[in-house]
Amino acid sequence: AQRVTQPEKLLSVFKGAPVELKCNYSYSGSPELFWYVQYSRQRLQLLLRHISRESIKGFTADLNKGETSFHLKKPFAQEEDSAMYYCALLGMDDKIIFGKGTRLHILP
Amino acid sequence: KAGVTQTPRYLIKTRGQQVTLSCSPISGHRSVSWYQQTPGQGLQFLFEYFSETQRNKGNFPGRFSGRQFSNSRSEMNVSTLELGDSALYLCASSLGGAGNYGYTFGSGTRLTVV
Repeated sequence: AQRVTQPEKLLSVFKGAPVELKCNYSYSGSPELFWYVQYSRQRLQLLLRHISRESIKGFTADLNKGETSFHLKKPFAQEEDSAMYYCALLGMDDKIIFGKGTRLHILP
Repeated sequence: KAGVTQTPRYLIKTRGQQVTLSCSPISGHRSVSWYQQTPGQGLQFLFEYFSETQRNKGNFPGRFSGRQFSNSRSEMNVSTLELGDSALYLCASSLGGAGNYGYTFGSGTRLTVV
């Protein structure tokens, strides 16, 4: 089965503290994974793709095939990082499967 | 360049009616995908169209249908509406396959069935 699990519905972190949003996937084969973000009153937008190995707004995500994880990390949280974050997997049938999302709340 | 445009933004319909939602993708994007977003289920894939052909379909009943026109604009239709169809319907466009480039999402159409 192809599945994306985000175990935390809500994550509260103090400004300046490190952030880690967890994502685990179930997929047989080489996965293509994404993180999408939705800021308040804005559209859902692509944050980063693992194949690009990029860092966007200070966020990075490393694919760990052994642990089937693709956690999103940022060393120092900023207030503007408060948003809803979705991990997503490109399935074998070319559909993008989304996790249920984690709401990140940055505390001042 | 213009983003993905979905119309209308809000809709209120009665059980049993039917509804048509519209999506205009980014110019040059040939793939349009539709998702249903609800608080309980999150984002669930409805279908994808590419060059006027349905390329992929999710696990939704036949009441949900769609189509794509030659200019890549897409519509989705829901017939015999049920209360459970109340949701935010999101359209996403992509240059080619969604995996290569990721999606660009529209603002969505919020459908309320009463």
